[in-house]
Amino acid sequence: AQTVTQSQPEMSVQEAETVTLSCTYDTSESNYYLFWYKQPPSRQMILVIRQEAYKQQNATENRFSVNFQKAAKSFSLKISDSQLGDTAMYFCAFNSNSNSGYALNFGKGTSLLVTP
Amino acid sequence: DSGVTQTPKHLITATGQRVTLRCSPRSGDLSVYWYQQSLDQGLQFLIQYYNGEERAKGNILERFSAQQFPDLHSELNLSSLELGDSALYFCASSVEPGGTDTQYFGPGTRLTVL
Repeated sequence: AQTVTQSQPEMSVQEAETVTLSCTYDTSESNYYLFWYKQPPSRQMILVIRQEAYKQQNATENRFSVNFQKAAKSFSLKISDSQLGDTAMYFCAFNSNSNSGYALNFGKGTSLLVTP
Repeated sequence: DSGVTQTPKHLITATGQRVTLRCSPRSGDLSVYWYQQSLDQGLQFLIQYYNGEERAKGNILERFSAQQFPDLHSELNLSSLELGDSALYFCASSVEPGGTDTQYFGPGTRLTVL
């Protein structure tokens, strides 16, 4: 079974600073996809960034970037120039093949607070 | 706005009752997923449908069932409700049934069982 671990239940960062959220996963599969989703207080699940395991280049979306270390099974999210609107729960997710479908396996989340 | 709609937004009911949650996927998406988010279990995959057919099952209780209709909307039926079924239920959709496609989530239905 695939597992996703987020070891930081809560983090805090000041506005305009940089913060890194950690995620590790366990799988025996060679082809998979990794995601970071953001859940603000509205509870909506919003895709932040995705990474294909076969790609060596780390994904980047504006202020969000990942550090994907396949051998170490690590997938951290870096948020640069943090903004107050980045305050949210962040979930790392692994996309696996489950009975011919693909279901997201989520970590337990990291609650990020951006302070003025 | 992801383009995925879910109704109702909130649902309050009593133990033993039955409820139906509805989801409309993004235009063009054929695959629908249901997830449950609770405080103790986190986000868990329940079931997936692709173009009307069940594709994958996760930790879905026998008291729960789902279906996807010809117009691609999906319904999740929860019966004999228990206090522990109180949770946020998400629907997500994607174009393809496989892992190459990103899943986009609806706003969720918050179910409270009293």
